[in-house]
Amino acid sequence: AQSVTQPDIHITVSEGASLELRCNYSYGATPYLFWYVQSPGQGLQLLLKYFSGDTLVQGIKGFEAEFKRSQSSFNLRKPSVHWSDAAEYFCAVGSGSARQLTFGSGTQLTVLP
Amino acid sequence: DAGVTQSPTHLIKTRGQQVTLRCSPISGHKSVSWYQQVLGQGPQFIFQYYEKEERGRGNFPDRFSARQFPNYSSELNVNALLLGDSALYLCASSWGGRDNEQFFGPGTRLTVL
Repeated sequence: AQSVTQPDIHITVSEGASLELRCNYSYGATPYLFWYVQSPGQGLQLLLKYFSGDTLVQGIKGFEAEFKRSQSSFNLRKPSVHWSDAAEYFCAVGSGSARQLTFGSGTQLTVLP
Repeated sequence: DAGVTQSPTHLIKTRGQQVTLRCSPISGHKSVSWYQQVLGQGPQFIFQYYEKEERGRGNFPDRFSARQFPNYSSELNVNALLLGDSALYLCASSWGGRDNEQFFGPGTRLTVL
């Protein structure tokens, strides 16, 4: 069965600093990988996705992620964090014909002024 | 265009009762998925429906059931509510193909007392 691990429960960065959120997955085949963001009281918004091809994926709001098969990782990065980026971030792997999503437990991001 | 809509926004029930949650997908989307998000955890897959047929089912008891209507809207039913069913229930819609993203609604917050 597939699984996703987000080892950092909570990360705090200063506004303008760079950000990297870690994600490791376990899946037998080539994974479909996603990063979602959730603000309080909101649903999930897709930041970016990896299906195949270029392993460096660009997303919305200046985020990018790199798929590394050898490390089973799909880390999310942003060069300069804005206060509005404070939210919870979820990594997910899509599997099965239905592309059912298996989510990690999330990383809560706090941005200091 | 309207996004995924869910009703009600909040719901309070007592143990043993039954609840029905509703979801309207984005216009043109034929697939609806349901996820349960317990506080402090990532969403967990419950069901996916495509063209009114169940395409996938997660590891949830038979107390959970769902259906999709000809207009592609969907209902999630939970019988014999337990305290542990308290969660945010998220609905996601997609076109239904293999390589497509899921768009999430704002969720229904269910509290079981």
